[in-house]
Amino acid sequence: GQNIDQPTEMTATEGAIVQINCTYQTSGFNGLFWYQQHAGEAPTFLSYNVLDGLEEKGRFSSFLSRSKGYSYLLLKELQMKDSASYLCAVLDSNYQLIWGAGTKLIIKP
Amino acid sequence: NAGVTQTPKFRVLKTGQSMTLLCAQDMNHEYMYWYRQDPGMGLRLIHYSVGEGTTAKGEVPDGYNVSRLKKQNFLLGLESAAPSQTSVYFCASAGQGATDTQYFGPGTRLTVL
Repeated sequence: GQNIDQPTEMTATEGAIVQINCTYQTSGFNGLFWYQQHAGEAPTFLSYNVLDGLEEKGRFSSFLSRSKGYSYLLLKELQMKDSASYLCAVLDSNYQLIWGAGTKLIIKP
Repeated sequence: NAGVTQTPKFRVLKTGQSMTLLCAQDMNHEYMYWYRQDPGMGLRLIHYSVGEGTTAKGEVPDGYNVSRLKKQNFLLGLESAAPSQTSVYFCASAGQGATDTQYFGPGTRLTVL
């Protein structure tokens, strides 16, 4: 079967750095997405990786290793507004998105 | 430019009742999707469409039907609601293909008693 694993919940301090990991086992791979979802709201796009390596976008960076079936989202200079769930999703061989259950990130002052 | 809108935002149904959820997008996107989101689980794809007049089944299509008569609209129907269909339903659209960013509507919270 297809599987996306993320930690259920993480806690970090305002101003710090946090890394959210995602491991996947899917039938094929055509890219990996990260989305942010605030409580009670819709998911919004953060990043898309299809090649190995690190993609940096402001305070957020996303890393992919296809050989290890692994990605992480790195958030720097954490702000209270970063408190949200972070969803990892993989595009499989049929170009269907397989979603992880999400990681709830709690930021403490 | 409203993006993706969903109607209604909240709904309570009794078991066996029917309803239609409407999704509309004004971005001229080809692809549209219906997902459900349940606590502790990832988003699950119900049905999707790759263009006007086309629909296809996703991961969990049973109990749902869809139609895409106009490019901007994607309707999700529940013919006979069941308590297992209590969920938050999200519609999303994407430009030209599966690798394009999906833009989500605000969601519909459905409770089936």
